[in-house]
Amino acid sequence: AQKITQTQPGMFVQEKEAVTLDCTYDTSDQSYGLFWYKQPSSGEMIFLIYQGSYDEQNATEGRYSLNFQKARKSANLVISASQLGDSAMYFCAMRAFTGANNLFFGTGTRLTVIP
Amino acid sequence: GAVVSQHPSRVICKSGTSVKIECRSLDFQATTMFWYRQFPKKSLMLMATSNEGSKATYEQGVEKDKFLINHASLTLSTLTVTSAHPEDSSFYICSARVGGSAYEQYFGPGTRLTVT
Repeated sequence: AQKITQTQPGMFVQEKEAVTLDCTYDTSDQSYGLFWYKQPSSGEMIFLIYQGSYDEQNATEGRYSLNFQKARKSANLVISASQLGDSAMYFCAMRAFTGANNLFFGTGTRLTVIP
Repeated sequence: GAVVSQHPSRVICKSGTSVKIECRSLDFQATTMFWYRQFPKKSLMLMATSNEGSKATYEQGVEKDKFLINHASLTLSTLTVTSAHPEDSSFYICSARVGGSAYEQYFGPGTRLTVT
């Protein structure tokens, strides 16, 4: 079974600054993927970034980067140059590529960008 | 990216009635679709997984007779909440996975169900 932990219920960041959202996970699977999604107040889930467990380099997508530390089982999301539009809920998720193969989510972090 | 639609976006129904929510993959074929439920300020909880043409697989604790899922085609899955009660009020989100993909899974915009 997988477990995803996001210990920060809420975070604040000044506009144009960088922010790190924490995510740790627990799994016995060797092959898995880690995801970050953004959920604005409208409710839709927006895919941000993906990291495979065998990827040697940290994933980056524009202002988003994933700080993947496999030994520590952490997959923190770093948002650089925060914008007001970044204010939203952010969910870390994990999918093992064996067994049921489903996507499971952490409890989320609400990010507020301050002008 | 691929688009997943849900209909309706909002629905209000009376207690005891049934409500059907549709999930469509608009520009790709989804061999697997997922239904999630999200309570206010909470995370998404996987309810069930459905594969086209076969019975849905429900997560532990989800009543399969209450939440009927049909995945009749590669582009359409439906969730029917039968004999709805106020405690069924929630945000329901569907998701579709591209067949054979390593990780691409796309989410619909969600349906807010309110049972009065």
